[in-house]
Amino acid sequence: QFVLTQPPSASGTPGQRVTISCSGSSSNIGINTVSWFQQLPGTAPKLLIYSNNQRPSGVPDRFSGSKSGTSASLAISGLQSEDEADYYCAAWDDSLNGNYVFGTGTKVTVL
Amino acid sequence: EVQLVQSGAEVKQPGESLKISCKGSGYTFTSYWIAWVRQMPGKGLEWMGIIYPGESDTRYSPSFQGQVTISADESTTTAYLRWNSLKASDTAIYFCARLGTRYQLQNNWFDPWGQGTLVTVSS
Repeated sequence: QFVLTQPPSASGTPGQRVTISCSGSSSNIGINTVSWFQQLPGTAPKLLIYSNNQRPSGVPDRFSGSKSGTSASLAISGLQSEDEADYYCAAWDDSLNGNYVFGTGTKVTVL
Repeated sequence: EVQLVQSGAEVKQPGESLKISCKGSGYTFTSYWIAWVRQMPGKGLEWMGIIYPGESDTRYSPSFQGQVTISADESTTTAYLRWNSLKASDTAIYFCARLGTRYQLQNNWFDPWGQGTLVTVSS
């Protein structure tokens, strides 16, 4: 069950800036933190951003996250060919008994 | 190094049972929640449920409640995902993932992830 909505695709040329949105509601993004994951083809997801805008060690500073109200965004600046992947947002949802929810996913293509 | 290593690919027939595993190492197994995530062929990530091994506290997504069972064994630092009767629609890659910080369930994140286990259900 997908509760967070992302655009299905985004694209850019090398060096450009790409932004991916993640739209939720008052029971998830509105009151809880957001994380972002990158999934390269045939591999497990990898944490890119946690607590809305924090980068784990080893993640390039080209990746940045933000949150406002019930929406969040991931920005990739200085797009590189190796950034071509699927990107997912996630957050805890307080509805029912509580559970994590993922975004619908965005395929980023480097033109 | 914190690591989650999952069991290998499985091919099963409809109606069969199955239990896949996720072995944690490099950290205190009982202090961190471990989640299971499904990815059907060509589709996105779906959160199935989560367990806190220290207390066997388990939560399920409404979509998966009653369909699977999540468990953990502290002695072997391994989490499990079990089906009693597989369906063709269970064909997917299943990932385990640990929450990033200890104890808390909400406002956390998934890191690290296991490598994934491909489950194929076909007659």
